[in-house]
Amino acid sequence: DAGVIQSPRHEVTEMGQEVTLRCKPISGHNSLFWYRQTMMRGLELLIYFNNNVPIDDSGMPEDRFSAKMPNASFSTLKIQPSEPRDSAVYFCASSKQFTQYFGPGTRLTVL
Amino acid sequence: DQQVKQNSPSLSVQEGRISILNCDYTNSMFDYFLWYKKYPAEGPTFLISISSIKDKNEDGRFTVFLNKSAKHLSLHIVPSQPGDSAVYFCAASSSQGGSEKLVFGKGTKLTVNP
Repeated sequence: DAGVIQSPRHEVTEMGQEVTLRCKPISGHNSLFWYRQTMMRGLELLIYFNNNVPIDDSGMPEDRFSAKMPNASFSTLKIQPSEPRDSAVYFCASSKQFTQYFGPGTRLTVL
Repeated sequence: DQQVKQNSPSLSVQEGRISILNCDYTNSMFDYFLWYKKYPAEGPTFLISISSIKDKNEDGRFTVFLNKSAKHLSLHIVPSQPGDSAVYFCAASSSQGGSEKLVFGKGTKLTVNP
């Protein structure tokens, strides 16, 4: 089993640019989660989908952040425009029941 | 308001000894608890879980204990090995309403010295 796949693994961009992070969940998992990890706040849930439908986006920091899940095997997290305070590691996770399995993360640096 | 707390940011133990990682929670609706291990530059890896109907779950060297009255859980690693050195996260969820959200603690960095 391939596990959760995220791309890119590293992204360096300039303030104001659009950033798109990608995630492929484990086949057969029906829930997908986007997290952000920072030193100050730890691991925060941004949004989660169940059967491709957004269920809870209360963790999305502001309108600059958006997430989509057009099908069961793909999701994106977009930041537009990006700001230096968005610099963090972004994780995607998927689950079939309550146990979540994480991808390797995307380290985002906004200059 | 932190619903899941790991009060020890770090722990250092000798190889072969027991490692005990602690976690406290405040939300009495939590009924499923998990431990994750995280190495640098990798995503968290699921380690072991426990439902609130149990007070102990064991998997090899790893045992999780749950004390519902104290709202406390702990992870025991026996014997500890240098490869266990990582950050350990405690997480909790409530099955009420069908939500699959996990609430994570801030982690405890375990160092196992050879």
